[in-house]
Amino acid sequence: KAGVTQTPRYLIKTRGQQVTLSCSPISGHRSVSWYQQTPGQGLQFLFEYFSETQRNKGNFPGRFSGRQFSNSRSEMNVSTLELGDSALYLCASSLQATNTEAFFGQGTRLTVV
Amino acid sequence: GEDVEQSLFLSVREGDSSVINCTYTDSSSTYLYWYKQEPGAGLQLLTYIFSNMDMKQDQRLTVLLNKKDKHLSLRIADTQTGDSAIYFCAEKPNQGGKLIFGQGTELSVKP
Repeated sequence: KAGVTQTPRYLIKTRGQQVTLSCSPISGHRSVSWYQQTPGQGLQFLFEYFSETQRNKGNFPGRFSGRQFSNSRSEMNVSTLELGDSALYLCASSLQATNTEAFFGQGTRLTVV
Repeated sequence: GEDVEQSLFLSVREGDSSVINCTYTDSSSTYLYWYKQEPGAGLQLLTYIFSNMDMKQDQRLTVLLNKKDKHLSLRIADTQTGDSAIYFCAEKPNQGGKLIFGQGTELSVKP
């Protein structure tokens, strides 16, 4: 069974641009969560989607948004990029929203210059 | 509030046991987790424990939970150089999927 797939693995963007990251969960999993990992702030929860609905949102500005499609694939978008948005963005997939086990992808390393 | 604390570094010799500690604040947490992250990689789920359990053993890994003190530990028996990584403790505070992570403990295993 394939794991969680995140694309692209690496991305370099310029300040002010926008970016879209993609996450394909494990087959059959319907819940997707996103996290931002930085050396200073550690791992912080961005949002959680289940059955195309956002169930939970972390404390991030409105420049960060996401969505989930009917096939459970999810995208997150960051608009008007800032240098501080440079981070590893991780996606986690679970069978259900209340499921015990969350499996993470390899992440997308975003660098904003 | 939601907060998870871990010590930042641990160094052990190959073959010794490693014990990584974690404290959390949310007494309503349903599950507590240990994840491993190797350089350049995502998070690998190692094990988890339900909040009404005291201990869980899985091969070389033993998780101990003291709910009264909100203290969680991960013991790795016979630590190998391949165990060198960052270990994250996380709590799941409610029925949703959100996880609250600690800062991570960098485990260094010396031959």
